[in-house]
Amino acid sequence: DVKVTQSSRYLVKRTGEKVFLECVQDMDHENMFWYRQDPGLGLRLIYFSYDVKMKEKGDIPEGYSVSREKKERFSLILESASTNQTSMYLCASSLHSSEETQYFGPGTRLLVL
Amino acid sequence: AQKITQTQPGMFVQEKEAVTLDCTYDTSDPSYGLFWYKQPSSGEMIFLIYQGSYDQQNATEGRYSLNFQKARKSANLVISASQLGDSAMYFCAMRERGTGRRALTFGSGTRLQVQP
Repeated sequence: DVKVTQSSRYLVKRTGEKVFLECVQDMDHENMFWYRQDPGLGLRLIYFSYDVKMKEKGDIPEGYSVSREKKERFSLILESASTNQTSMYLCASSLHSSEETQYFGPGTRLLVL
Repeated sequence: AQKITQTQPGMFVQEKEAVTLDCTYDTSDPSYGLFWYKQPSSGEMIFLIYQGSYDQQNATEGRYSLNFQKARKSANLVISASQLGDSAMYFCAMRERGTGRRALTFGSGTRLQVQP
């Protein structure tokens, strides 16, 4: 079974703090994704990565950056957290471009005060 | 225009009955994939079922089936014999292959509550 893990289930941070959200998958998947989920809006793509050190902006990249130094790990960084980044963050991975099914981690609920 | 539309914010169903969750999509790409995910209150998104745009038959996975009507651009999820554990948010999603976009585009979700 594919396993995608996220470093924290719940996180509380203060405005202006630098925040790191970590995601690890154990199935040698090429693609990794970060989404945020807000009520009534579904999931929206922040960034994705298709290989080590390769990344592409998603639909809402502003205020975020990412890092993929190893194939199994994809980090989402909030350089200076703001209250409008309070949300549920979901990491996902998929095997490669022709295998489309994405497998998700348990999510991180981030509260920025 | 929204790519994925789920018009039912919430649905109720009695245990053991079947329920249909609606999903319509908008794309001009002839090659795409459609997905349904379940999200229990714990938060994790669980993959349920997949339908490719060129698949001739409707997808089925156990109690889940996808009613794919290509001309109407709809991909409704049918859950047969509902169970209390089916209570969750359900999301329809699409990947348009021709765009090269690897991510999925999600609808806003439907909250299903199964009543005993």
